[in-house]
Amino acid sequence: KAGVTQTPRYLIKTRGQQVTLSCSPISGHRSVSWYQQTPGQGLQFLFEYFSETQRNKGNFPGRFSGRQFSNSRSEMNVSTLELGDSALYLCASSSLGGGSQETQYFGPGTRLLVL
Amino acid sequence: AQTVTQSQPEMSVQEAETVTLSCTYDTSESDYYLFWYKQPPSRQMILVIRQEAYKQQNATENRFSVNFQKAAKSFSLKISDSQLGDAAMYFCAYRRAGNNNDMRFGAGTRLTVKP
Repeated sequence: KAGVTQTPRYLIKTRGQQVTLSCSPISGHRSVSWYQQTPGQGLQFLFEYFSETQRNKGNFPGRFSGRQFSNSRSEMNVSTLELGDSALYLCASSSLGGGSQETQYFGPGTRLLVL
Repeated sequence: AQTVTQSQPEMSVQEAETVTLSCTYDTSESDYYLFWYKQPPSRQMILVIRQEAYKQQNATENRFSVNFQKAAKSFSLKISDSQLGDAAMYFCAYRRAGNNNDMRFGAGTRLTVKP
């Protein structure tokens, strides 16, 4: 099976702009989680989607949003970009119900640089 | 709140030797899952090993094994016969059992393998 794919891999934006990142999970996987990775804060959970519904959300401002489509592909959007949003954004998918017992498989990430 | 602590920011090991990475976590839950992920320079997070808290037997995957001490809330990773390809950041992660539970990561340990 193909792994988790994320597009684009690299992105440069300026402050105030918005950005949309895409994640395609492993075929058959229904749960998609998003994480932000920065040198200062480490890996932080953004949100999780399962069957097109947001099931869990981390402690991030409302500028961060996401959605999941019927084919399980997911997008996350960041509006009004700030310098601090520069990070590696990782997507992970898991099969079945996405419960804690299931392993999450990560994509290669999208590196976002905000200037 | 569940927290994960990796007290060793950096570790180094000679090729073919054994190294142990430390991880402790804080939780009041009795049912949870623990993971070690590897992140090489490519930034792709790769699952190394996982442990179910209800299992007393320590998990093993080829050269990788864990020492899971539930009472002490300790979850160390032992890498035997270290190889150059083992050089990476290693993250310890915790996830409470059930749905709607995000994964909590430690700050990571950078492992260097010397030839």
